[in-house]
Amino acid sequence: GAVVSQHPSRVICKSGTSVKIECRSLDFQATTMFWYRQFPKQSLMLMATSNEGSKATYEQGVEKDKFLINHASLTLSTLTVTSAHPEDSSFYICSASRQEETQYFGPGTRLLVL
Amino acid sequence: AQSVTQPDIHITVSEGASLELRCNYSYGATPYLFWYVQSPGQGLQLLLKYFSGDTLVQGIKGFEAEFKRSQSSFNLRKPSVHWSDAAEYFCAVGTGELSFGAGTTVTVRA
Repeated sequence: GAVVSQHPSRVICKSGTSVKIECRSLDFQATTMFWYRQFPKQSLMLMATSNEGSKATYEQGVEKDKFLINHASLTLSTLTVTSAHPEDSSFYICSASRQEETQYFGPGTRLLVL
Repeated sequence: AQSVTQPDIHITVSEGASLELRCNYSYGATPYLFWYVQSPGQGLQLLLKYFSGDTLVQGIKGFEAEFKRSQSSFNLRKPSVHWSDAAEYFCAVGTGELSFGAGTTVTVRA
């Protein structure tokens, strides 16, 4: 149990376009979903926390207008990188949890902006 | 404020040898502690967690960790490593929002 999926696993896009990443909890209802960004050979950096049906809470320094997060249901959260630029290229990982319990992570999405 | 320190950036171990990864934490209350493993290009997989109770926790893939409140530590151990254990290991602390250590890269030599 506790499987989290992400789609797509990797995406290449042109600068200025928007990219949507989906995060799904497949076998449980996630009250909270988290979005992280990971740079090569570094730890995870929390971008935002989202609870179903409410606005996401963004970490300091993360642009909420650039990284749009929607948590429409207890099994789906989306991260949209708007007007992507090369510096947005990174590995994005989501996680999901129930009631402040263990976070279960998705496999990650590799974004490359050309 | 909560924080995690993993003192070892990189550890190389021979296949079949024992492995210990160190983790020290700072947390204002009783911590929830986690160890995750990440293979290259992959997400994080939960190895084990400590919430309360027995301070020696058994996890998947033959890993165990011991919570020592007096030392603020939660070190991860495996008696005999396999080549497939080569990966990045992250210690994390928190309830709800997690704080991650910088990670320890484990290399396994034949």
